[in-house]
Amino acid sequence: KAGVTQTPRYLIKTRGQQVTLSCSPISGHRSVSWYQQTPGQGLQFLFEYFSETQRNKGNFPGRFSGRQFSNSRSEMNVSTLELGDSALYLCASSLMAGGMNTEAFFGQGTRLTVV
Amino acid sequence: GESVGLHLPTLSVQEGDNSIINCAYSNSASDYFIWYKQESGKGPQFIIDIRSNMDKRQGQRVTVLLNKTVKHLSLQIAATQPGDSAVYFCAENNYGQNFVFGPGTRLSVLP
Repeated sequence: KAGVTQTPRYLIKTRGQQVTLSCSPISGHRSVSWYQQTPGQGLQFLFEYFSETQRNKGNFPGRFSGRQFSNSRSEMNVSTLELGDSALYLCASSLMAGGMNTEAFFGQGTRLTVV
Repeated sequence: GESVGLHLPTLSVQEGDNSIINCAYSNSASDYFIWYKQESGKGPQFIIDIRSNMDKRQGQRVTVLLNKTVKHLSLQIAATQPGDSAVYFCAENNYGQNFVFGPGTRLSVLP
């Protein structure tokens, strides 16, 4: 069974640009959560999608958005990129919403560098 | 949400010794906990989980202990090996809300 797939693995963008990251969850999983990982702040929750609906959202500005498609694949978008958005973006898939008593499986992440 | 720390604690152990990694969680209502291992360049990998109705759970070479009174979680790794070198995160979940991760502990295994 294939794991969580994130594309692209690496990305370099310029300040002010926007970026879209993709995540394909494990087959059968309907929950996709996104996290931002930086050395200073650790793993910070961005948002969770379940059955195409945003179920939960972390404390990030509106420049960070996402969506989920009917096949459970999810995308996150960051507009008007800032240098501080440089981070490893991880997505995790779970069988149930909120990882409710089931583990979340992580992808390899997308390393975004904003210059 | 709960905050995570800014500093990454480091634990160095000799190969073959036992390792104990600690985590203080913040939400007394959290009812599900997971330990993850993250190696350089990879996403976090599930190690072991525990529910709040338990205080101990064992896996292969790993044991998780949960003390709800003081909101403390620990991961014990027996006979630590070089391949155990990684950053370890605890994560807490409050009945279907998002997982909140601890700041992580870097484990270095010395030859």
